[in-house]
Amino acid sequence: TQLLEQSPQFLSIQEGENLTVYCNSSSVFSSLQWYRQEPGEGPVLLVTVVTGGEVKKLKRLTFQFGDARKDSSLHITAAQPGDTGLYLCAGATSGSARQLTFGSGTQLTVLP
Amino acid sequence: GAVVSQHPSRVICKSGTSVKIECRSLDFQATTMFWYRQFPKKSLMLMATSNEGSKATYEQGVEKDKFLINHASLTLSTLTVTSAHPEDSSFYICSARWGHSSEKLFFGSGTQLSVL
Repeated sequence: TQLLEQSPQFLSIQEGENLTVYCNSSSVFSSLQWYRQEPGEGPVLLVTVVTGGEVKKLKRLTFQFGDARKDSSLHITAAQPGDTGLYLCAGATSGSARQLTFGSGTQLTVLP
Repeated sequence: GAVVSQHPSRVICKSGTSVKIECRSLDFQATTMFWYRQFPKKSLMLMATSNEGSKATYEQGVEKDKFLINHASLTLSTLTVTSAHPEDSSFYICSARWGHSSEKLFFGSGTQLSVL
């Protein structure tokens, strides 16, 4: 069973602060995705990283895929209340199964 | 972008009744759809993989006779919770895979099931 552990599980910060969410596994993934989910809605894809060591930026969000493709991080600069939500990482395996394994989730609350 | 429609968004039912949830891919064909269960502020738990024209593949611990999945067309998969009980109350989400071997998934907006 492939497990993706996210840390922290819960995070509450003030508007304007920076934060980093980690996604770790002992398994190697062919790619890794990050999603954000708001209450009562389905997850929305933020980014997909494919290459070990890859860094992608999406406005104030920076995503990094570990060199060994076993871990990833999401860094948010100057967090805003609109960033509040459940952040999920998901790792994809290669081969015909092509199934996503979801991380344990990080609930972020940004206070105004 | 691709859209997946899930219906209903919220349902309240009495214990012992059955509830059907629909998941439709509106602008693409999805040979594979996935059904998840989610508890508040927790991650998604994969329940089953729904393959068009064949039997669904259930994850360990998920009762296939309790959670009936039908994927009769390339754009529609349904999840029926049979003889629902209060412990079945949860948020259920579907996703549809874009393409046969793509890792790109599009999610429905979820269904909040409350069993009284």
